[in-house]
Amino acid sequence: EVQLLESGGGLVQPGGSLRLSCAASGFTFNKFDMSWVRQAPGKGLEWVSTVGESGRSTYYADSVKGRFSISRDNSMNTLDLQMNSLRAEDTAVYYCVGGTATMPYWGQGTLVTASS
Amino acid sequence: DVVMTQSPLSLPVTLGQPASISCRSSQSLVYSDGNTYLNWFHQRPGQSPRRLIYKVSNRDSGVPDRFSGSGSGTDFTLKISRVEAEDVGVYYCMQGTHWPRTFGQGTKVEIK
Repeated sequence: EVQLLESGGGLVQPGGSLRLSCAASGFTFNKFDMSWVRQAPGKGLEWVSTVGESGRSTYYADSVKGRFSISRDNSMNTLDLQMNSLRAEDTAVYYCVGGTATMPYWGQGTLVTASS
Repeated sequence: DVVMTQSPLSLPVTLGQPASISCRSSQSLVYSDGNTYLNWFHQRPGQSPRRLIYKVSNRDSGVPDRFSGSGSGTDFTLKISRVEAEDVGVYYCMQGTHWPRTFGQGTKVEIK
């Protein structure tokens, strides 16, 4: 059974930092691109970032470029998202997602709230 | 960026009746490998999204055959042949051909 377990969400002041992690199991992790997708309260889905299978290729939405950094550890089957200079508009549930072109696997999400 | 436009945004349906959601993209979704990376997701209240259909018309394992996807190029459709109570929620189309990946606004399906 595929499992993606996110952690690291919480309340942070605007301008602060947070690091999200995702532990993956049940599929061949190093054969999949991995992504983060977020959903602001009551809103739709927004792609945030993707890292390639090897970790060498990374892609970011313009809204987070220069502030967020995605990385992975294929030896531990983990995915991370380092979020710096957080803004109120970054408040959302962040989903760890297996894949990028077809996104077959989704975690349960972790809530990030950037508020004073 | 590729804009994904869904219609309708709200869809009241009667149990047992068919339903259809349209998704149009601002650019062709045909990739250089010949595949069209248009996917459909369903999100029930309080749950994470679940993929239903990938690459236009391929149904995921465990997805009832009352769900079907069709289309090509820039024009795509998700159809439910006979709506059941468990089908309520929000449906999203998403393109995985171009960067950045983009989603439609979502279509909320509810029972009349």
